[in-house]
Amino acid sequence: DAGITQSPRYKITETGRQVTLMCHQTWSHSYMFWYRQDLGHGLRLIYYSAAADITDKGEVPDGYVVSRSKTENFPLTLESATRSQTSVYFCASSVSGSNTEAFFGQGTRLTVV
Amino acid sequence: GENVEQHPSTLSVQEGDSAVIKCTYSDSASNYFPWYKQELGKRPQLIIDIRSNVGEKKDQRIAVTLNKTAKHFSLHITETQPEDSAVYFCAASGDSGAGSYQLTFGKGTKLSVIP
Repeated sequence: DAGITQSPRYKITETGRQVTLMCHQTWSHSYMFWYRQDLGHGLRLIYYSAAADITDKGEVPDGYVVSRSKTENFPLTLESATRSQTSVYFCASSVSGSNTEAFFGQGTRLTVV
Repeated sequence: GENVEQHPSTLSVQEGDSAVIKCTYSDSASNYFPWYKQELGKRPQLIIDIRSNVGEKKDQRIAVTLNKTAKHFSLHITETQPEDSAVYFCAASGDSGAGSYQLTFGKGTKLSVIP
């Protein structure tokens, strides 16, 4: 489990500010994912990446930007934070996208005030 | 894209009884169905998974069944214990097009095991 880490663990930011959530994995997994978790909605996919320099939108991508210049890092940026983006964000990685376990980071609790 | 429905949203059982959580999925191309357990304040962790070429899989008190024709799969927990209390998520994974894969989750079931 220590192989995938998120930072920061907690973040409070103001509406309109840009904020970046970091995700780092040490397994050289091909796939990485970003989910947000909200009460009543479960885990909703924001963006995912099949490999370095390859990213795709998930279910709720609006207001978010991702990049993946290196296999081990997959940062998520909120370009102009809104209160509706207050959530717990989980990063995950898997060896391949199909038929393999996804390992989750410990999560980042983001509050937008 | 894939849509995963999960029921019930909450489930309370007496210790020692069985618990069943059901999920349906929409994309017939999905071929991998994991179940995750999330304890309060912690990250989701895989407890069992099943692939489309298998109808049932069991691991001690936990079993999962898959019906590809009906596009539904279920989690069965027998002889429940208080430590089984958590939120359980089902998920489905398949080719989202262009050879890449998404992992789509249901909304979760909060299981409470009453001692």
